[in-house]
Amino acid sequence: DAGVTQSPTHLIKTRGQHVTLRCSPISGHKSVSWYQQVLGQGPQFIFQYYEKEERGRGNFPDRFSARQFPNYSSELNVNALLLGDSALYLCASSLGQGAGEAFFGQGTRLTVV
Amino acid sequence: TQLLEQSPQFLSIQEGENLTVYCNSSSVFSSLQWYRQEPGEGPVLLVTVVTGGEVKKLKRLTFQFGDARKDSSLHITAAQTGDTGLYLCAVPSGNTPLVFGKGTRLSVIA
Repeated sequence: DAGVTQSPTHLIKTRGQHVTLRCSPISGHKSVSWYQQVLGQGPQFIFQYYEKEERGRGNFPDRFSARQFPNYSSELNVNALLLGDSALYLCASSLGQGAGEAFFGQGTRLTVV
Repeated sequence: TQLLEQSPQFLSIQEGENLTVYCNSSSVFSSLQWYRQEPGEGPVLLVTVVTGGEVKKLKRLTFQFGDARKDSSLHITAAQTGDTGLYLCAVPSGNTPLVFGKGTRLSVIA
C-alpha cells in the first residue's frame, strides 16, 4: 500500500505569488490534516478535513485555504506569499476525525524568496 | 505559551550511552504520542500512551506517561546512530488533531 504522497517535494516561489500543495492520503483514510513546520520548531496545525468538510482550523491568516476532494485527496493553497511562509508543509492522513494514529507524508519544502 | 515543553532542546551523545528526553505540560491530556522525524521526512509515530503511569517499551525505547497525565518521558538504552533524529511529543487538543512540542534534536555519534 502506498503511504501518504505529497507533491511537489520542493518549491521556490517569489513573495506575493500563490502556491498550491497537494496530498493523497492512504487508501481508505478519510481525514487529511495540514501542518506547517518552520526550522527548529514542531509542526503547527493549519487545517483538518474529514469527509470533505473542514473540521478544524489553526491560527493561520485567511491567505491559507484548503479543500478535500471526493477521492479524499486535498489541496492547500497559500496566497500572497510572505518570506515567513517558507517552511516544510506536512500532510497527515488518518482513518477518522478523532485523535487516532496519523500518518505523515514526507512534506513539501516551500522556499519564498 | 507552548502547551508542551520538551527538554532538552538538543542532545549529542556517544553510541552506547543511555538518555532520557522529557515532554512536560501543566495541562492534563487524554493521550500523548511520541514521533521521530528524520531530515527530509515527515514524523513517524513511535507510541501512543493513554493511561496515567503507563509504561510502554519498543525495543530499546521506553515511554512513560506521568501519573497525572501531564507529562511523559522517553528513555533510550544503548543509543545507536540510527536513533539520530528529532523526537516530538504531541497531544490532541480541542479541535486540533495534534499539538506538537518543539522537539528534542538527538545526535548519536559513532
